[in-house]
Amino acid sequence: DGGITQSPKYLFRKEGQNVTLSCEQNLNHDAMYWYRQDPGQGLRLIYYSQIVNDFQKGDIAEGYSVSREKKESFPLTVTSAQKNPTAFYLCAIIINPTIISNQPQHFGDGTRLSIL
Amino acid sequence: ILNVEQSPQSLHVQEGDSTNFTCSFPSSNFYALHWYRWETAKSPEALFVMTLNGDEKKKGRISATLNTKEGYSYLYIKGSQPEDSATYLCACPGAGNNRKLIWGLGTSLAVNP
Repeated sequence: DGGITQSPKYLFRKEGQNVTLSCEQNLNHDAMYWYRQDPGQGLRLIYYSQIVNDFQKGDIAEGYSVSREKKESFPLTVTSAQKNPTAFYLCAIIINPTIISNQPQHFGDGTRLSIL
Repeated sequence: ILNVEQSPQSLHVQEGDSTNFTCSFPSSNFYALHWYRWETAKSPEALFVMTLNGDEKKKGRISATLNTKEGYSYLYIKGSQPEDSATYLCACPGAGNNRKLIWGLGTSLAVNP
C-alpha cells in the first residue's frame, strides 16, 4: 500500500543486539498494528496502537517494544530478549479504530529479519 | 479461544478453471469475516469484510459467501488466471473490546498457464 512504508526491507541482527523496524504512514489513520509471520503459522499480533501515546500488547509481545510518539510512526524494536526473532514482520493500519471488527486492515510491504 | 481454519492448505489449478476454498470459524459471538489476498513479494490486500449471514460479495472474478449459523465462508474464483496465484487469508475478530483479528493459515493457490 503506497501510504504505509516499512523499512528496511531486509534486516540482520547480531546476537544480543536490539534492532528497530520502521513503520510510517501518511494516511492520517489512528490505529496501527505489528504482526509477525512464521512459516506454517498465521499472522500473530505483537503490539497495536489505537491512538498517539497509547499502545497495547498483542499475543506475542515478549521481547518486543514499541512507541507511538507521533501519529504517523509506530516503530517496533526487537530486543535481545526475543530469542527467536527470525521472521517476516508486517505493519498494518485501519481507518476507523472505533469499529475495528468491520474495518479491513491495510498492510505495508514488510521487513524480513534474520539472525547473523 | 477462537480458531480460524482454512482448507485446503494448497491448491493447484489450470488457467480457466474455477475454484473455491473454505474458511471455518466458531459460529458463536461472530462479528465479521475478513478475506485477504497475499501475492508473493507484495503486502496482503483486503478483498472483503463480511458481517451478515447470507452475505455475498463480489470483486471481479472473485466472490465470497458467508454462513454465520454454521460458521463458514467460501471464496470462489471464476476462470482462474495466473495472476490469481497467491495465498488467500481469512480472519475473524476475537472476543474483547478490541476485537483483534485471529488469522487462518491461508490457502495457497497456484494457477498454471
